[in-house]
Amino acid sequence: GAGVSQSPSNKVTEKGKDVELRCDPISGHTALYWYRQSLGQGLEFLIYFQGNSAPDKSGLPSDRFSAERTGGSVSTLTIQRTQQEDSAVYLCASSQDRVYGYTFGSGTRLTVV
Amino acid sequence: KNEVEQSPQNLTAQEGEFITINCSYSVGISALHWLQQHPGGGIVSLFMLSSGKKKHGRLIATINIQEKHSSLHITASHPRDSAVYICAAFTGNQFYFGTGTSLTVIP
Repeated sequence: GAGVSQSPSNKVTEKGKDVELRCDPISGHTALYWYRQSLGQGLEFLIYFQGNSAPDKSGLPSDRFSAERTGGSVSTLTIQRTQQEDSAVYLCASSQDRVYGYTFGSGTRLTVV
Repeated sequence: KNEVEQSPQNLTAQEGEFITINCSYSVGISALHWLQQHPGGGIVSLFMLSSGKKKHGRLIATINIQEKHSSLHITASHPRDSAVYICAAFTGNQFYFGTGTSLTVIP
């Protein structure tokens, strides 16, 4: 497709389970961000990938969170042993080279019950 | 029709000018975000609004829920304000983004 695709669009999981969220960026985009929007909070930076460089993980809230980007394309955000405070909309954005602007996905709504 | 419309698409201003960027949306929102991206830089979250007005330094964001409209104002603009400004409507489940306003402030 022409845009950034995130899947699933909605995910309900039980506390303690692991979840994987997927982001398909625009083909050729080298930069990829993950953010999250928790209830009543602003957009929170999680992790940033740029090409083949080591990712900037400074925003990951705990070691239960990890992300990878395979082949410089698809990215997966994994949350282990989910907690209720992980409930949020997780947003992915990609860019050709951080100069021409970012294209955002529509988000994955995660609910931990 | 896009769910979020921004205007203008491009804006050039002289240093010191007062700048307004407008955002109209058609979806029901729980929050409205203003984001900033500098050339070669990352995305910065400027404001999250659900009502009224917020101010941070020279930046002011307002929202009119009834009219489904938000504005971002920059007072005493400076060349370092040159960036792309993006309006994003958050429904509580997903985001809808405007196409962005590219601002250039000339010294």
